[in-house]
Amino acid sequence: LAKTTQPISMDSYEGQEVNITCSHNNIATNDYITWYQQFPSQGPRFIIQGYKTKVTNEVASLFIPADRKSSTLSLPRVSLSDTAVYYCLTMNRDDKIIFGKGTRLHILP
Amino acid sequence: DGGITQSPKYLFRKEGQNVTLSCEQNLNHDAMYWYRQDPGQGLRLIYYSQIVNDFQKGDIAEGYSVSREKKESFPLTVTSAQKNPTAFYLCASTPGRDYSPLHFGNGTRLTVT
Repeated sequence: LAKTTQPISMDSYEGQEVNITCSHNNIATNDYITWYQQFPSQGPRFIIQGYKTKVTNEVASLFIPADRKSSTLSLPRVSLSDTAVYYCLTMNRDDKIIFGKGTRLHILP
Repeated sequence: DGGITQSPKYLFRKEGQNVTLSCEQNLNHDAMYWYRQDPGQGLRLIYYSQIVNDFQKGDIAEGYSVSREKKESFPLTVTSAQKNPTAFYLCASTPGRDYSPLHFGNGTRLTVT
């Protein structure tokens, strides 16, 4: 069973900031939080990973509260090409890596 | 360039035949994974291997078999015992026992009629 819960789908408009929240109530102390993006008929692609507080890279930010029971992926100023499925995972060094159903993000013009 | 190669991209088979999907990586990664994806669904773990000559069942291993004789190769055989084999199959790798993210291949779409 997936260890995370995400909204099934979201719509937004070009140029907006999009926030996708993931719930992981049973996250373990040694788990990291990782987000992937998947386009149709392609393998998922790594976006960002973090353990606590805030992580930012060139494509996204990841916000993790102190209790680590949830996380929020933030995509600034989305474009049509950001339409994809976004997966949130918790992972550690020893466990198998399990994906949930993901969030289907649809960006409208 | 380093990466993961899955071949072929499309595969067609008759019901009752075994079929083997290829996955090769030149990233020098220790761990490799096989996932299955059905239309509109997430990825489900079939098998994974964290080191050569060792592999573990995932959540949906029934009807599938794997081998890991070489570090760079992790072929998946879909046997005739798999009741619904038509799906998109994804192979991935990661360096191993650390927090490095998965690198995925571009998948093989298997159709069994």
